[in-house]
Amino acid sequence: GENVEQHPSTLSVQEGDSAVIKCTYSDSASNYFPWYKQELGKRPQLIIDIRSNVGEKKDQRIAVTLNKTAKHFSLHITETQPEDSAVYFCAVSGGGADGLTFGKGTHLIIQP
Amino acid sequence: NAGVTQTPKFRVLKTGQSMTLLCAQDMNHEYMYWYRQDPGMGLRLIHYSVGEGTTAKGEVPDGYNVSRLKKQNFLLGLESAAPSQTSVYFCATSLGLPNEQFFGPGTRLTVL
Repeated sequence: GENVEQHPSTLSVQEGDSAVIKCTYSDSASNYFPWYKQELGKRPQLIIDIRSNVGEKKDQRIAVTLNKTAKHFSLHITETQPEDSAVYFCAVSGGGADGLTFGKGTHLIIQP
Repeated sequence: NAGVTQTPKFRVLKTGQSMTLLCAQDMNHEYMYWYRQDPGMGLRLIHYSVGEGTTAKGEVPDGYNVSRLKKQNFLLGLESAAPSQTSVYFCATSLGLPNEQFFGPGTRLTVL
């Protein structure tokens, strides 16, 4: 089955700096790559996603890049703010009905 | 619209007891999923359904059963609870494949 590795497990950055979280996956047939944000005690919520026919996607301060050849994708958050503090999960789907395979999460800490 | 709801929010069981978790959605989504979330493990798929009357096993199905008698409801059952099933359980729904999954608020289950 699919294997998703996510790094780092914890990331601490100064407010206003950028944060980058990286994920690698194993199945070259995977074609959908979402990122979820989960605040403490809350449900995961989608913040951005990308499909395999696109190399990069931006939404205000958030961007995702995909390298299908190398089988990795990254989340970029610029101008970080205190409300960005949360756990971020990458996920991968092969397009089948069997759900998403998630990375183990990155705890992002924004230092004031 | 309520979106995706889960009942109950919290539950404490003794080893060997049984219980059923209910996921309900008013989004008219065909696909429904049950995940469990453990510290440092991300979310792992237990069972899923591609439509009313259908169910299938995910990555970690042992010790759980599911049913989808109505399109809007997806039930997760534990026949004989074990301490290893202590976790936070999330239900999710999706309109199509591959597509955003919408998560319920979660059920925190403790098995003593």
